[in-house]
Amino acid sequence: DAKTTQPPSMDCAEGRAANLPCNHSTISGNEYVYWYRQIHSQGPQYIIHGLKNNETNEMASLIITEDRKSSTLILPHATLRDTAVYYCIVRVAVTGNQFYFGTGTSLTVIP
Amino acid sequence: EAQVTQNPRYLITVTGKKLTVTCSQNMNHEYMSWYRQDPGLGLRQIYYSMNVEVTDKGDVPEGYKVSRKEKRNFPLILESPSPNQTSLYFCASSFGWKNTEAFFGQGTRLTVV
Repeated sequence: DAKTTQPPSMDCAEGRAANLPCNHSTISGNEYVYWYRQIHSQGPQYIIHGLKNNETNEMASLIITEDRKSSTLILPHATLRDTAVYYCIVRVAVTGNQFYFGTGTSLTVIP
Repeated sequence: EAQVTQNPRYLITVTGKKLTVTCSQNMNHEYMSWYRQDPGLGLRQIYYSMNVEVTDKGDVPEGYKVSRKEKRNFPLILESPSPNQTSLYFCASSFGWKNTEAFFGQGTRLTVV
């Protein structure tokens, strides 16, 4: 059921921006893009979500292409604590609709 | 502090011995759900609840029961655990089931021998 494609792993130097791509070429008009991360088998942590406009919060920025077929999560100044598995999820709000976590991108921030 | 609390964090039990994993949230959320996470399979939803006394099956409900007698609590019950229920379990809650973010507990690692 996964509708997203992410690279399995990425490295980023500490202090630099981490840009995590996600492909969701079959996204529907009413589906939102969510990003979560999971640090070492802890509970997944919400980062950000959006429909078509770019979004920014205290944790990250979400850039969605105009055709909505792909998006990029940007962590502006990566720290060692940002090392985690990042999940890109597309989701339409229907009763009982769950979050389908695929295999995500394992981001390693290097000192 | 807003949080979802699961207990216990770790549990080793024997086949057939009934157990309950508790989940409690302090955010007055209506929607709660249980997931299990297994290597290579991601997170799969077991049961969910839209509100008090309203529960429904997710994708992998076999072998599990839930109840929602109070808004804040959503326990997961394994009446007769089996080794294939060895997994990492997460409880989640959200204000609604629409486009809101879900808050996850810290997980319960269950081993059934």
